[in-house]
Amino acid sequence: GENVEQHPSTLSVQEGDSAVIKCTYSDSASNYFPWYKQELGKRPQLIIDIRSNVGEKKDQRIAVTLNKTAKHFSLHITETQPEDSAVYFCAAALWNQGGKLIFGQGTELSVKP
Amino acid sequence: DTEVTQTPKHLVMGMTNKKSLKCEQHMGHRAMYWYKQKAKKPPELMFVYSYEKLSINESVPSRFSPECPNSSLLNLHLHALQPEDSALYLCASSQALIGGDTQYFGPGTRLTVL
Repeated sequence: GENVEQHPSTLSVQEGDSAVIKCTYSDSASNYFPWYKQELGKRPQLIIDIRSNVGEKKDQRIAVTLNKTAKHFSLHITETQPEDSAVYFCAAALWNQGGKLIFGQGTELSVKP
Repeated sequence: DTEVTQTPKHLVMGMTNKKSLKCEQHMGHRAMYWYKQKAKKPPELMFVYSYEKLSINESVPSRFSPECPNSSLLNLHLHALQPEDSALYLCASSQALIGGDTQYFGPGTRLTVL
C-alpha cells in the first residue's frame, strides 16, 4: 500500500527565515497531495494542496512543489512568523482508493522571534 | 455554513460506560470520516461513509460503532473502551468519495477513558 515519509520531524527557524518540509510517497498512482497545519489543541487545517497534473502551487508565503518522477513533494514557507509554529502534516491520496488519505508522521515547526 | 462541528468537546468516561460522539456538517458533502489522533501523531483513519453507507472500516474494534443517520450527521457510539482509546477523535467531510477531494476536519472530541 501507499506509504508517506516526512522529514524533518522537528524544525526550528528564526522569524523571517524560510522553512522547507519534504515528503516522499511510494505509490505512483497517488494523485492528490494536501498539507495540513495543526496548532496545539486545534483541528488540522488545510493550508495548501496540489494535484498530480501540476508541478507547483503558491499561496502568498506558502508554496508546494511536486516531483512525480522522484515521487516527492515539498512545502515551502517564506518569511516565517511565530504564528506559523505548529505541526505540519503532508498526505497523499490515490484516485482509486476513495478519499483515503495517507499521512506523513508530521513536522513540528518552531519559529523563534 | 462551511464548518464541520463536533460535540462534545471533551468527554471523560469509565470503561463500563456507553457514550456517543456527534459530528455535523451542512456543506452538502456526501462523504464523512472518523479519525483517531494521539498527541503529535497523524490522524488515523477509522471509518468512512459515502452517501450514508459504510465504505471503509479500518479494522476498528467493535467497541467503536459508527452510524450515519442522514447525509449531514455522523455518530460514533462508544462502549467498553480501554484507557488506550483515550485520544482526540476527529470527524471530517468531503464533497464525495474521490481521491483528490479536500477533507475538512471538525475541532474534535478529546476523549479520556478512566
